[in-house]
Amino acid sequence: AQKVTQAQTEISVVEKEDVTLDCVYETRDTTYYLFWYKQPPSGELVFLIRRNSFDEQNEISGRYSWNFQKSTSSFNFTITASQVVDSAVYFCALIGGYNKLIFGAGTRLAVHP
Amino acid sequence: EPEVTQTPSHQVTQMGQEVILRCVPISNHLYFYWYRQILGQKVEFLVSFYNNEISEKSEIFDDQFSVERPDGSNFTLKIRSTKLEDSAMYFCASSERTETYEQYFGPGTRLTVT
Repeated sequence: AQKVTQAQTEISVVEKEDVTLDCVYETRDTTYYLFWYKQPPSGELVFLIRRNSFDEQNEISGRYSWNFQKSTSSFNFTITASQVVDSAVYFCALIGGYNKLIFGAGTRLAVHP
Repeated sequence: EPEVTQTPSHQVTQMGQEVILRCVPISNHLYFYWYRQILGQKVEFLVSFYNNEISEKSEIFDDQFSVERPDGSNFTLKIRSTKLEDSAMYFCASSERTETYEQYFGPGTRLTVT
């Protein structure tokens, strides 16, 4: 079975703190893709990153970085120097069969000034 | 930048009524999807569509649901007889090709069944 677990339901930080959102996945596929999406209060889903199972290099994009570790089936997301605009629900997702995305339950991040 | 659009943004309907949710995927995309998100819950896959037929559907996508690509641009989700539990945000998504796997989502249609 394919599954994505985001154990952190809510995280609250003060602006400029670093924050890491955890994601653990389960799949029997040898080739798979992992994603992070952001859902701001306005409700849309914004694509952040895609990572395939053959590429374990960490990726950095501005204040965002992602740590993919196959050994622990984790794909964690770190925001450095958080800002109020980062407040949103963040979803980790896994591709399973015919491109369907399997989402985790999401982590609600609140960044306070 | 091309984007997926959805109409209406909010639809209120009475239980038992039929609703059609509309989506215009990104123009060169070939794969289309519907997902739903009940308030406060995770996003759930409903159906994927390619080459004018359903590729995969979830257990949620029962006989009350149908999808159609009536012309070269629109992609619709029909719910024949709505139930209270159909109240949710419905997202349309599209992707260019299967190898890419990047799905771009529309802004969603909030469906409220009373």
